[in-house]
Amino acid sequence: GQNIDQPTEMTATEGAIVQINCTYQTSGFNGLFWYQQHAGEAPTFLSYNVLDGLEEKGRFSSFLSRSKGYSYLLLKELQMKDSASYLCAVRDRNYKLSFGAGTTVTVRA
Amino acid sequence: DAMVIQNPRYQVTQFGKPVTLSCSQTLNHNVMYWYQQKSSQAPKLLFHYYDKDFNNEADTPDNFQSRRPNTSFCFLDIRSPGLGDAAMYLCATSTSDKNYEQYFGPGTRLTVT
Repeated sequence: GQNIDQPTEMTATEGAIVQINCTYQTSGFNGLFWYQQHAGEAPTFLSYNVLDGLEEKGRFSSFLSRSKGYSYLLLKELQMKDSASYLCAVRDRNYKLSFGAGTTVTVRA
Repeated sequence: DAMVIQNPRYQVTQFGKPVTLSCSQTLNHNVMYWYQQKSSQAPKLLFHYYDKDFNNEADTPDNFQSRRPNTSFCFLDIRSPGLGDAAMYLCATSTSDKNYEQYFGPGTRLTVT
């Protein structure tokens, strides 16, 4: 199984940078995903890491260290629309996803 | 646009009255998943179909059943809903062609009265 930990809440100011950390313990790592979920809506895919290092996609970047069981999602130039829950999900060798409980990010003007 | 569709978006049922939630997809993905997500909690996988093969999670209650009559459709049947089954139910699809990245539908919010 997987144990996935991420902070419950974070608050930041519009235009700032926020880093959401995720630590995991897994029995068979096969990739880590970050999803964005607005209240009452479905999760939408943000990023995918399977090898160590940084993946950059516009204002969003995700980092993975497999030896440390650690990932972070970096949100730059925060906008009000970035207020949402961010879910870290670990995939196992059977391609099943286990999700963290999510980090609620609130962006203030 | 290719997508994952869930109907209805909101469903109200009575305690103990069977209810069916539906999911359809135009992505032609061979894997379909059902998740349960309660407020402020992680989505929890209930079961998934790999093609026609049904894969139940060990801790999914017997009260939850699923059917997949063809590639495009998948149903979640709750035989006797309890108050604790009130949640958002998410359907997702994936395919090996896209490294099994999961595409989610908008979800069905189930209320049990």
